[in-house]
Amino acid sequence: ELKVEQNPLFLSMQEGKNYTIYCNYSTTSDRLYWYRQDPGKSLESLFVLLSNGAVKQEGRLMASLDTKARLSTLHITAAVHDLSATYFCAVTGTASKLTFGTGTRLQVTL
Amino acid sequence: EAQVTQNPRYLITVTGKKLTVTCSQNMNHEYMSWYRQDPGLGLRQIYYSMNVEVTDKGDVPEGYKVSRKEKRNFPLILESPSPNQTSLYFCASSLGRGARETQYFGPGTRLLVL
Repeated sequence: ELKVEQNPLFLSMQEGKNYTIYCNYSTTSDRLYWYRQDPGKSLESLFVLLSNGAVKQEGRLMASLDTKARLSTLHITAAVHDLSATYFCAVTGTASKLTFGTGTRLQVTL
Repeated sequence: EAQVTQNPRYLITVTGKKLTVTCSQNMNHEYMSWYRQDPGLGLRQIYYSMNVEVTDKGDVPEGYKVSRKEKRNFPLILESPSPNQTSLYFCASSLGRGARETQYFGPGTRLLVL
């Protein structure tokens, strides 16, 4: 059974600081997603990572994938308040299923 | 506008009273799925559908039913709701190849079962 673990579960950081969210998964997968969820809102797709060594960047967020280590990271550079949200990674196991991590709630303080 | 819609957005009901949450997408997507979101558990898949008349169980299907008679609609049915089905529900769809394509999520339905 595919398991996806994220850490930390909660992250409070000051504006301007850097930090990394980690996503580990238990079985082989060739596709990993990062989603963002604002409070009371739906999920918005951020990145899809398709192969080992893949790196995607959008603004202050950069995601990477290491399929050998079964690890993805979401790096936040010089955080701003607008990045406050919950971030989920999700991994494709079988063709029909997407398994989500428990989410990392990010709070960026002034 | 390309979107996934759900109705109702909020629902309070009582134990045992059958209810249906509708989901519709206008993107001609083949794959549709239902998730429930609970604090500390992330999102868990309830049911999914690879195409019309093709549905299958996800990780937490107990107490739920679905149908896929048309490509655009994928309703979630709770025949006899119980308090442990109080949750936030999301419908999602993707173009094809199941969960191998980026999924687009609906706005969510918050359900309270008393």
